[in-house]
Amino acid sequence: NAGVTQTPKFRVLKTGQSMTLLCAQDMNHEYMYWYRQDPGMGLRLIHYSVGEGTTAKGEVPDGYNVSRLKKQNFLLGLESAAPSQTSVYFCASSPGQGINIQYFGAGTRLSVL
Amino acid sequence: SQKIEQNSEALNIQEGKTATLTCNYTNYSPAYLQWYRQDPGRGPVFLLLIRENEKEKRKERLKVTFDTTLKQSLFHITASQPADSATYLCALDDSGGYQKVTFGTGTKLQVIP
Repeated sequence: NAGVTQTPKFRVLKTGQSMTLLCAQDMNHEYMYWYRQDPGMGLRLIHYSVGEGTTAKGEVPDGYNVSRLKKQNFLLGLESAAPSQTSVYFCASSPGQGINIQYFGAGTRLSVL
Repeated sequence: SQKIEQNSEALNIQEGKTATLTCNYTNYSPAYLQWYRQDPGRGPVFLLLIRENEKEKRKERLKVTFDTTLKQSLFHITASQPADSATYLCALDDSGGYQKVTFGTGTKLQVIP
């Protein structure tokens, strides 16, 4: 009964380093999302995918890339981390097809020094 | 521009009272509105969804109203308990493709024993 699983849970990077955050869902959902959450800013959409092999930009896509090679996985990449990318990152999935109820993972807390 | 507003100040209420949280929006024509609960260090969890043609929705001690003329939703928790203490987020669909939702910044509720 895993739902949406994010790895890692915590990470500290130095400026300029790269990393990939992994999101996996076992609910056979079509849609998947990456959000960042910062104090006072709420959840902001970075990128999303409405199906395997598709991706689209959200509200704050700069500095991030994503891939969805398999339906159950959605990867978020930071090519050259910056301190402004220090945040809590949440992955979510949704069945799609009209009503977009979001199922969230537990989050990844990222610090960029 | 599109905007979703929730009271950024924490709401403190006594145990047993009814908590009322507000979600106001501008420049949206949502087909539905959702409410989520978020506990510290965890991802949001879906609570209730109300469609544009519904005035009110109930689930146990929770009640949501949706006034598309006022562009407002109210979220009520009756007979509040300390365990209800959390941040509550409203979310609106993207008024077209239904591929994504936009979240408000949330209101922190503290129920005092």
